[in-house]
Formats: sequence, structure tokens, C-alpha cells
Amino acid sequence: KAGVTQTPRYLIKTRGQQVTLSCSPISGHRSVSWYQQTPGQGLQFLFEYFSETQRNKGNFPGRFSGRQFSNSRSEMNVSTLELGDSALYLCASSLEQGGWVTQYFGPGTRLLVL
Amino acid sequence: SQQGEEDPQALSIQEGENATMNCSYKTSINNLQWYRQNSGRGLVHLILIRSNEREKHSGRLRVTLDTSKKSSSLLITASRAADTASYFCATDVQGGSRLTFGEGTQLTVNP
Repeated sequence: KAGVTQTPRYLIKTRGQQVTLSCSPISGHRSVSWYQQTPGQGLQFLFEYFSETQRNKGNFPGRFSGRQFSNSRSEMNVSTLELGDSALYLCASSLEQGGWVTQYFGPGTRLLVL
Repeated sequence: SQQGEEDPQALSIQEGENATMNCSYKTSINNLQWYRQNSGRGLVHLILIRSNEREKHSGRLRVTLDTSKKSSSLLITASRAADTASYFCATDVQGGSRLTFGEGTQLTVNP
């Protein structure tokens, strides 16, 4: 099976702009999670979508939002970009099995906010 | 704040040596997972150990879990230069897909 794909891989934006990142999960996976990775804060959970519904949300401001489509593809949007939003954004998909979850990560989208 | 703390933060060894990384966490967990990340790229899942397991092996990897001490260790035996990467532990507290990651250990294996 093809792995998790994320587009674009690199992005440069300026403060105040908005950005949309896309994630295609592994075929058959219905859960998609998003994480932000920065040198200062490490890996932090943003949100999780399952069957087009947000199931979990991390401690991020409302500028960060997401959605999931019927084919399980997901997008996350960041509005009014700030310099601190510069990060590697990772998407992961999972197939819940037996009560425990292994997440498969995409290569990430590296966002630079100038 | 991060659920887990890892030590050491950085580890440099010679090829062929064993590498041990430790992870501590704060709350009860459903399972603990270890991931590898090469140079700021995506995370690769290495191994998952459930809260009722004490030890698990996968190839050159050995993971232990001590729930009484809220700690885990990852041992990589006979290391190779290709093992050079950052290693993260992640805990599943609530169930589902919300993982909480440790700060990571940067492993350098010198040829």
C-alpha cells in the first residue's frame, strides 16, 4: 500500500496570510491526526479526525482548524499566520486494531513564516 | 508540557556498540510506542508495547516497560551508521489516536 502523503512538502508564507495543508492517509485508514513539530515545543498534537468528525483536539488556538473528507483525506488550515507557526506539520493515519493504535506518519510539510 | 522525558538528549556511539535510550512519563497509559525520525522528516513507527507487557523484541530492538516506575527503555543492539536518527517515545493516554511525545534522543552512530 502507498504510505501517507502530504502536500505541499515545503511552503513559505508571510505573517498574516493563511495556509492549507493536505494529507492523504493510507488506503483503508479512517483516522487522521495532525501534529506540529518545533525545536522549542517538540511534537504536539493538533487534532484528530475520524469519519469526517473531529474526535480529539489539542491545545492550539482557533486559528488552527481542520477537516476530513468522505475519502478520509484531510486538510488543516492555519489563518493569520504568525512567525511562531513556522514548523514541520506531520500527518498520521491509523487503523485501530484491538484497542491499540499504531500511527503511520507522512513526510511532513515544512512551513516557514516570514 | 510533554508527557514524556527522554534521556539522554544526545548519544554518540561507535558502529557495533549498543545504544540505550530511556523514557519516563507522568500518567497511566494504554500503550507506549517508539518512533524514529531522520533529519526532520516523517516519523517511522518502530515498536508498540502495551501497558500489560514488560518486554518486547523486534529485530535488533528491545523495549522494556516498567509501569510502576512509569518508564521505558529502547535498546538497539549492534548499531549501524544508518541508525543515526532521533528517537521518540510516545504514550497513548486517552486511547484513540492522540499520542503524547517525549523530547527525543538524538543518536549518532559513527562508522
